[in-house]
Amino acid sequence: AIRMTQSPSSFSASTGDRVTITCRASQGISSYLAWYQQKPGQAPKLLIYAASTLQSGVPSRFSGSGSGTDFTLTISSLQSEDFATYYCQQYYSYPLTFGGGTKVEIK
Amino acid sequence: EVQLVESGGGLVQPGASLRLSCAASGFTFSNYDMNWVRQAPGKGLEWVSYISSISSTVYYADSVKGRFTISRDNAKNSLYLQMNSPRVEDTAVYYCARAWSSYVDYWGQGTLVTVSS
Repeated sequence: AIRMTQSPSSFSASTGDRVTITCRASQGISSYLAWYQQKPGQAPKLLIYAASTLQSGVPSRFSGSGSGTDFTLTISSLQSEDFATYYCQQYYSYPLTFGGGTKVEIK
Repeated sequence: EVQLVESGGGLVQPGASLRLSCAASGFTFSNYDMNWVRQAPGKGLEWVSYISSISSTVYYADSVKGRFTISRDNAKNSLYLQMNSPRVEDTAVYYCARAWSSYVDYWGQGTLVTVSS
């Protein structure tokens, strides 16, 4: 199975900050990577697929980049509603695998 | 509007059986592959199982292979997960998840399964 490693596992940030979350795959996955946002008590929500394509309705402050084994999710200006946990997921092959999550907390 | 509504969760004893259901609406269910994904309390997301649109292909996580069975009824717009011989470590919220090009584009709200004696 392809292992997905996210970093950091958590951090604190302030509204307006530019934040970057990284995700590394244990082998090359081309651009078969998705990012999800999950708030407490809610189901995950798709933000980005194909490593850099924004899902319809997702604010443009979210962006994704990378290919192969190294990927990033960037929030250009953190808003109050963005405090949540973020997961990357590879869909290059089954079993589908997720990163361990990155919790973004209010500083 | 795409809706996925899970049901069937609850408290189950280790070694018993439980069947989860997912009712889909707002899209042509028979055109989409589907997944079950779970999340143990306070933990991350774990993919459980996949079924293709016409049930021709199924996959399972090693952790549930041989114990869980995924199925669907396209006439009823429904997805199922038969959980046999559940273990304490299967305790989780189980999400029904629509697949599009293998990534999940819509998630249900989940149903909690607690395995305990």
